[in-house]
Amino acid sequence: EPEVTQTPSHQVTQMGQEVILRCVPISNHLYFYWYRQILGQKVEFLVSFYNNEISEKSEIFDDQFSVERPDGSNFTLKIRSTKLEDSAMYFCASTTEVGGNEKLFFGSGTQLSVL
Amino acid sequence: GESVGLHLPTLSVQEGDNSIINCAYSNSASDYFIWYKQESGKGPQFIIDIRSNMDKRQGQRVTVLLNKTVKHLSLQIAATQPGDSAVYFCAAASPSSNTGKLIFGQGTTLQVKP
Repeated sequence: EPEVTQTPSHQVTQMGQEVILRCVPISNHLYFYWYRQILGQKVEFLVSFYNNEISEKSEIFDDQFSVERPDGSNFTLKIRSTKLEDSAMYFCASTTEVGGNEKLFFGSGTQLSVL
Repeated sequence: GESVGLHLPTLSVQEGDNSIINCAYSNSASDYFIWYKQESGKGPQFIIDIRSNMDKRQGQRVTVLLNKTVKHLSLQIAATQPGDSAVYFCAAASPSSNTGKLIFGQGTTLQVKP
């Protein structure tokens, strides 16, 4: 069964450093997302991406965050200057359609630890 | 604003019993709901979904019930097995968004006792 894959599974970085989290969505999907989950808390929406542009972003997704689909398969989340509070599990997700049928498929996540 | 919440942070059941996990949502315009299962170290896995034009939907050993009057949905797992131990999230499609954004609840940890 096709799945969303994320790399790396764990990323440790120093505060102030840039990190790039990588995702390969399911191949025929058109809508892509990043969510995050701080330990013990709910899964939170960060950003949605469609047709090579951001379609929606949350208040968490400030100027330090950016997303890119550099080629036909990868979807990346960049955090320009990491903060301690960015430590979380980051999930990539994708789906084929929206508008009342948002069955998102999630990757296994990247655990980001900012020291 | 929109919110989705679960009633119990932890549910402990005996193997073989039925489990019921409850969830409430705030926005009466929400029209699509999903239950996800999250095992330790993994991403949320789709279990079952339901649209607001339905009251009930059944899958393999799982049933989702939707009560739009009180803005409540539940996930029922029949004959709970040790492999069902996980955190369960309900999520609602944001009616104010057409981008596929999901609003997640807090999560209920299901513990299955042998």
